[in-house]
Amino acid sequence: DAGVIQSPRHEVTEMGQEVTLRCKPISGHNSLFWYRQTMMRGLELLIYFNNNVPIDDSGMPEDRFSAKMPNASFSTLKIQPSEPRDSAVYFCASSFSDGYGYTFGSGTRLTVV
Amino acid sequence: GQQLNQSPQSMFIQEGEDVSMNCTSSSIFNTWLWYKQDPGEGPVLLIALYKAGELTSNGRLTAQFGITRKDSFLNISASIPSDVGIYFCAGGGGADGLTFGKGTHLIIQP
Repeated sequence: DAGVIQSPRHEVTEMGQEVTLRCKPISGHNSLFWYRQTMMRGLELLIYFNNNVPIDDSGMPEDRFSAKMPNASFSTLKIQPSEPRDSAVYFCASSFSDGYGYTFGSGTRLTVV
Repeated sequence: GQQLNQSPQSMFIQEGEDVSMNCTSSSIFNTWLWYKQDPGEGPVLLIALYKAGELTSNGRLTAQFGITRKDSFLNISASIPSDVGIYFCAGGGGADGLTFGKGTHLIIQP
């Protein structure tokens, strides 16, 4: 298995632009998590899905953030409009719903200028 | 929300030394995990602990799940250069998501 695949690896965008981050979980995993990592706040859980259904989005910072999982093999995290304080590394992770060993992707480093 | 206090924040050690780091929480967790993150990559699971009091080893790594379920430690014996990275503790898991500590930066001087 290729692991959790995220794209793009790096994204530089101007303030106000829409940003879409993509994730392909490991085949067979039915839980998917989006995390954000910054120096100040560490790893923060933004939202997670179980069987493609959003379970808890309480970590999503603002209405500018939205996430979807249209099928078991794809998820997106969208920021619209983006702001400089959104600059961070965004990780996607997947697991079996009764498992604890999440597998993380390599992350998307987002820079908003 | 739940918070994990991880210490130390960073460690500067000589190659061959043993390393010890720990995590405490004000909340009880049913699972404790330890991850390592290399630069430019996502965290990778090192050890998972599922029972209070459990002591688990993985090569030179040893981790314990505290008896109160509010703490855990990770030891690395005889450190080598490839041990450099950020180590994270995490609690919770399953369908509820993991809460991560802020990480311990391990730097090894040859």
